[in-house]
Amino acid sequence: SQTIHQWPATLVQPVGSPLSLECTVEGTSNPNLYWYRQAAGRGLQLLFYSVGIGQISSEVPQNLSASRPQDRQFILSSKKLLLSDSGFYLCAWGGTGANSYEQYFGPGTRLTVT
Amino acid sequence: QKEVEQDPGPLSVPEGAIVSLNCTYSNSAFQYFMWYRQYSRKGPELLMYTYSSGNKEDGRFTAQVDKSSKYISLFIRDSQPSDSATYLCAIWNFNKFYFGSGTKLNVKP
Repeated sequence: SQTIHQWPATLVQPVGSPLSLECTVEGTSNPNLYWYRQAAGRGLQLLFYSVGIGQISSEVPQNLSASRPQDRQFILSSKKLLLSDSGFYLCAWGGTGANSYEQYFGPGTRLTVT
Repeated sequence: QKEVEQDPGPLSVPEGAIVSLNCTYSNSAFQYFMWYRQYSRKGPELLMYTYSSGNKEDGRFTAQVDKSSKYISLFIRDSQPSDSATYLCAIWNFNKFYFGSGTKLNVKP
């Protein structure tokens, strides 16, 4: 069965510091991968999605970037964090073809920027 | 206009009640509709999906889509305290997912 891992689970970082969040998926090949941010009491905001290695689409212009160096690895980065970057970051993998409507989320990383 | 709108609640019901959670959407071309359940400080988990219109039942859960009014619903029968969570509706359209803001449900023992 498929499993998705995210780390770290929680993170407290000062403003201006860099960020690297990692997501890996097991049990599937060539998945669509997604990064979302969920602010307190708000819905999911899609940040990036990827349909393959090195293929990244950005949904929201901001100081975050994403990379997909391997088929089942998705990384979210920032060179300098802002207070507004605080939130719950979720990685998800999605089915392809006829199962493209399916999306499965990781456990999330809670980021607090101080 | 947002692609999907959802009442944030919170909704508080006694154990055993029937719960109705609802969303509206903007684009009549949408075909795939999902419901996710999210426990506190956890990632959302896919509960059910419906293609096009009609009903789909899974145990105590029923998902319903009314395309004429662009309205989607999730009904929970015999609600349990373990159903207490935030429920998010979602729509898939060509590699893009649109999520409602979530309705927080509290089922009191």
